[in-house]
Amino acid sequence: EVQLLESGGGLVQSGGSLRLSCVASGFTVSAFAMSWVRQAPGKGLEWVSLVTGTTPLYTESVKGRFTISRDTSRRTLYLQMNSLRAEDTAMYYCTKMEGHPMNKWWLDYWGRGTLVTVSS
Amino acid sequence: QSVLTQPPSVSGAPGQRVTISCTGSSSNIGAGSDVHWYQQFPGTAPKPLIYGNTNRPSGVPDRFTGSKSGTSASLAITGLQAEDEADYYCQSYDSSLTAYVFGTGTKVTVL
Repeated sequence: EVQLLESGGGLVQSGGSLRLSCVASGFTVSAFAMSWVRQAPGKGLEWVSLVTGTTPLYTESVKGRFTISRDTSRRTLYLQMNSLRAEDTAMYYCTKMEGHPMNKWWLDYWGRGTLVTVSS
Repeated sequence: QSVLTQPPSVSGAPGQRVTISCTGSSSNIGAGSDVHWYQQFPGTAPKPLIYGNTNRPSGVPDRFTGSKSGTSASLAITGLQAEDEADYYCQSYDSSLTAYVFGTGTKVTVL
């Protein structure tokens, strides 16, 4: 059974940093693309970042501030978030991606999320 | 600033059929990117409902059907049930942005 368990969220001041973690089980982490998706309170879903075997991708608003990575030996996906802003406040979901090629990828498994709150 | 547009809300009586549109452009849906749909209940993570435009993951009732044409896609719910009251999001890939994109989201209300 695939499971994704996020951690690392919390309250941080504007300009601060946080590192989110997502421990995966039930599949081989290195064999699939994985993404972070966020949802601000009362708002819609926003894709944030993706890691595959090649260059990671980021949504425009986090480029240069967020870094995605994964440690396949620990079955863990990370999101290092620096220079945090109030607008980064959201629930952050870890997701596994499925499909081929890239323009057909979908998010077949989601974690429960970890809440990041940035105070201004 | 979502690049996929959905109606904010749709509603219907139990048993009725409702549809949710997802309008994109030539750089995402119109470029051949697949459209996927997710269902989200308050306080919970989204759950995949339709993938690859028309396919249902295991366990999703066949009351939910997806379609795609040109630069748009649609999700239809037939035989609407009270348990279908939730938020629904479409998702695709935008080749100009080199990014995955979600729709603006639609709240389905069962009257």
